[in-house]
Amino acid sequence: QQQVKQSPQSLIVQKGGISIINCAYENTAFDYFPWYQQFPGKGPALLIAIRPDVSEKKEGRFTISFNKSAKQFSLHIMDSQPGDSATYFCAASIENSGAGSYQLTFGKGTKLSVIP
Amino acid sequence: DGGITQSPKYLFRKEGQNVTLSCEQNLNHDAMYWYRQDPGQGLRLIYYSQIVNDFQKGDIAEGYSVSREKKESFPLTVTSAQKNPTAFYLCASSTLSSNEQFFGPGTRLTVL
Repeated sequence: QQQVKQSPQSLIVQKGGISIINCAYENTAFDYFPWYQQFPGKGPALLIAIRPDVSEKKEGRFTISFNKSAKQFSLHIMDSQPGDSATYFCAASIENSGAGSYQLTFGKGTKLSVIP
Repeated sequence: DGGITQSPKYLFRKEGQNVTLSCEQNLNHDAMYWYRQDPGQGLRLIYYSQIVNDFQKGDIAEGYSVSREKKESFPLTVTSAQKNPTAFYLCASSTLSSNEQFFGPGTRLTVL
């Protein structure tokens, strides 16, 4: 059972355009929704994250939109650049019972290509 | 430099051999995690540990083993029981009070 569904699988955007990646989740107990960026052969790096009490969060060219009732959230990359070409993963977490560490459940990823 | 190191970057092994992947962090994080990444599959949790000498199975623990003898170290052994071990393995760490996980650079394991 896939708890976080991510789409599209791949995305091609022209330089200067807007890249939009969508995720949907099932577990209403999730309380943290990060997006990770991964370049080939590297580990993922946290890009931006949101909690369910906020509907939108913006950091530079990157914006997360969050719709709690629809159980959906999306990443928007404004003015997309060739350097943004990478794989993007959405994720969701819920606090583990007990000691307090958090497990992340990942979407399957979106490979973004920004063409000049 | 603070961070997570994984070694080696590339690892080749013959089928039927056990292999151990190293993960070390100097972030003073209590929690550490191992993920497996396959093309088009995202990241899947293998094992995690919240405290020294304790660890929990993730979603795909079969064929893997871990130890946590030191706070800084969380090695992963891929055993011969793992049917499809060829993959990219990622180690991560976090504090117990934060959702944010920091990832290492990964080890690409190829079983010949």
